[in-house]
Parts: sequence; C-alpha cells; structure tokens
Amino acid sequence: AQSVTQLGSHVSVSEGALVLLRCNYSSSVPPYLFWYVQYPNQGLQLLLKYTSAATLVKGINGFEAEFKKSETSFHLTKPSAHMSDAAEYFCAVSDRDNDMRFGAGTRLTVKP
Amino acid sequence: KAGVTQTPRYLIKTRGQQVTLSCSPISGHRSVSWYQQTPGQGLQFLFEYFSETQRNKGNFPGRFSGRQFSNSRSEMNVSTLELGDSALYLCASSLGQQGIGAFFGQGTRLTVV
Repeated sequence: AQSVTQLGSHVSVSEGALVLLRCNYSSSVPPYLFWYVQYPNQGLQLLLKYTSAATLVKGINGFEAEFKKSETSFHLTKPSAHMSDAAEYFCAVSDRDNDMRFGAGTRLTVKP
Repeated sequence: KAGVTQTPRYLIKTRGQQVTLSCSPISGHRSVSWYQQTPGQGLQFLFEYFSETQRNKGNFPGRFSGRQFSNSRSEMNVSTLELGDSALYLCASSLGQQGIGAFFGQGTRLTVV
C-alpha cells in the first residue's frame, strides 16, 4: 500500500524565514500527492497537488512543492513565513483522489 | 457553492451507545470519504462511497459502517461505542476522479465517556 512519511513532527521558524516541510512517499509508480493544512478545530484545506503535469507545483498562500522522483520526495516550501502560516500540515498520497493516506503531520510554529 | 457540511459539530456519547454522523457533500460531488483523526493515530481512512456504493474501505472494525444516499449525502454509524472512538471525524467530498483532490468538512468531534 502507498504511504507517506513526514520528517519532523514539529518545525519552528521565524517570521520571514524559509519554510521547509518534508514528505517522502513510497510508491513504485508516481502517485497523486497532496499537501493539506489544518487550522485548530477546522477541517483540512487543500494547499496543492501533484498529478504529473509539472514537477514544481504552486499552491495557495505562497506555498509550492517539488516532486522529485529520484528522491521519492514532495517537500513543501514557502520563501517567507507569515504568522498566519502557523498550523498543522499533512502530506497525503492517493491512487484515487478521495482515498488518501496521510502522513503523521507537521506542526509549524512561526515566531515573531 | 456551499462547502462540505458535517452535522453535528460536537457530540458526547456514553460507552456502548451508537452514533450517526452526517455529511452533505459539495453539490455535484458523487464521492464521499470518511476519516478518523486522533492525536495518537493521526488521520486514518475509514471508507469511501461513490454513487451509493462503498468503493474502498480502511482497516476498521465492523462497528464502523456507512452509507450514501441517492443525493450523495452520506452517514457514518458507529455501534457499541468505545472510549477509543473519541476522535474528530472528517468527511471529504470529491468528484471521484483521480488527481483532483478532496474538500473536507469541519468535522464532528465525538467524545465517548
């Protein structure tokens, strides 16, 4: 079964600093990959998705992710962190878009 | 276009009882999936329904069941509740095609006492 591993359950950055959240997938074929964000007491919001059209995917709120087949990675980045980016981020893999397997999540803290 | 609506938002039940949670997907979406989120286990896939048929199922006991109606609304039922069933239950709505992504409701927070 496909799965994803998120490295680092907690990441802390200063406001204005680069955000890098790591995700590695296990799949013999390029899967569909997603990043979701969850704010406290809320559901999940889709940030971006990889569907093989382009390896560099741009999402909402200035986030982007690069699919690297050689590294089986799909890391999420944002050049400059904002206080409002503080949330929990989940990487997910799917062979059908509504049957997703999620990583354990990474809680992002942004320090002023 | 209205988003995914889950009711109720909060629920408190006693061990041994059963509970039914409801999810109304985005208009036009035929796929509804359910997920359980707990601090210890994270986000786990329960099952997916597409056009009233269960298309995929996660690794949960038979106490967890669901159904989907002709209008795509879905219900999830948990019987003989256990303390460990306390969780945030999330519903996700999708067109059911590959690679589009799913839209989540705000969830139902179930507490079993």
